[in-house]
Parts: sequence; structure tokens; C-alpha cells
Amino acid sequence: NAGVMQNPRHLVRRRGQEARLRCSPVKGHSHVYWYRQLPEEGLKFMVYLQKENIIDESGMPKERFSAEFPKEGPSILRIQQVVRGDSAAYFCASSPTGATNEKLFFGSGTQLSVL
Amino acid sequence: SQQGEEDPQALSIQEGENATMNCSYKTSINNLQWYRQNSGRGLVHLILIRSNEREKHSGRLRVTLDTSKKSSSLLITASRAADTASYFCATVPNTGFQKLVFGTGTRLLVSP
Repeated sequence: NAGVMQNPRHLVRRRGQEARLRCSPVKGHSHVYWYRQLPEEGLKFMVYLQKENIIDESGMPKERFSAEFPKEGPSILRIQQVVRGDSAAYFCASSPTGATNEKLFFGSGTQLSVL
Repeated sequence: SQQGEEDPQALSIQEGENATMNCSYKTSINNLQWYRQNSGRGLVHLILIRSNEREKHSGRLRVTLDTSKKSSSLLITASRAADTASYFCATVPNTGFQKLVFGTGTRLLVSP
């Protein structure tokens, strides 16, 4: 059974470029969450998606950031015109039903470095 | 910020000793979860305790929850070198869906 798969593992971008981070949830999970982690800090919630719908994007910056989880294919976190402050580890997690008493399954993350 | 605080920030012990980590949070919760993160990797779920529970065990792990003090503790007994990792508590608020609010983490180092 494959867990949550994220790619790429490492992504280097220059300022002003676009970054696309992909996440394939655990097979059968229809709820996906994106978190961002800065060095020496805990994870901070960005966005919660259910197939084709954004449920909560309260943690995601209004500009330059977008997320989708299409009917087919992985969830994508897209950052346009990246800046140095976007450098962080981005983690995706999934759960089967989104119930509050479920544990989340996390991917290994994408380390984004902006030069 | 709703983010919780964990104490201590770092803990260094010898194999066989017990490790205790504490977590405080700010809002009312549905449940509290503990996760482990090995360096540069994703998080692994350890244990979940509901707001109406006071204590829970899983193998060498013991978690307590005091909702009146808005605090929780994680005890790892008979620690092993493989327990070396960062440990995070995460709360799920009463919002009706899964939205974890993570603490700042405790870095645990277990020396052989």
C-alpha cells in the first residue's frame, strides 16, 4: 500500500518563477491537506481540499498561491512568482473521510528553495 | 496565533530513560494528536486523545490531557536511540472538520 506521495522531493526556483508541488494521497482517500513548515517550527495549515472542492483555504496567502484537487490526478499546490520567503518544506496529508477524529497520513514533503 | 507551545524545546537523554514532553494550547478542542518527525521527513501519527479522555496508552507511549489547563503530555518510557526525532502535538478545534494546529515541537535526542 503506497502512502502519500509527494514530488518533487526538492525543488529549486529563482525568484519570479513558478513552483508546482504535487501530492498523490493514499489510495481511496478523498481529503487532502497542505501544510508549510519553516525551519525549526511546527507545521502551519494552508488549505484543505476534497475532490474538486476547496473546503478551507484560510491558511493560504491570497496572492500567488493556489491549490486544486481534480477529479483525476494528484493535488497541486501552485506558487506563482516565488519569493525567498516561500522557501520552506511543504507537506501534504490525506485522510479517508475528513472526520475530526481521524489521523492524517503525511507525505515526505517537498523542500522548496528560492534563490 | 493559535499555535500551541511545547516544552521543552529540546531534550537529551540516555537510552532506557523516560522522556516527557508537554504541550499547551489555546482554544477548545475536539481532540489532540501527537506526531513524530524524523529529520527531513514527513510526520508519523503516534496517538490521538479525545477531549473527553484523560489518559491513553499505546505501547511505550502514554498521553495525558487536561482540558481545564489546556495542556497535554507525552511520555515515552524506556527510550531507544530510534526514538530520536522531533515530536509535535496538534490540536483539532471544534470547527467540524479536520484542521490540525501544530505546536512548535520538542527535539528529542536519545543517546546509546
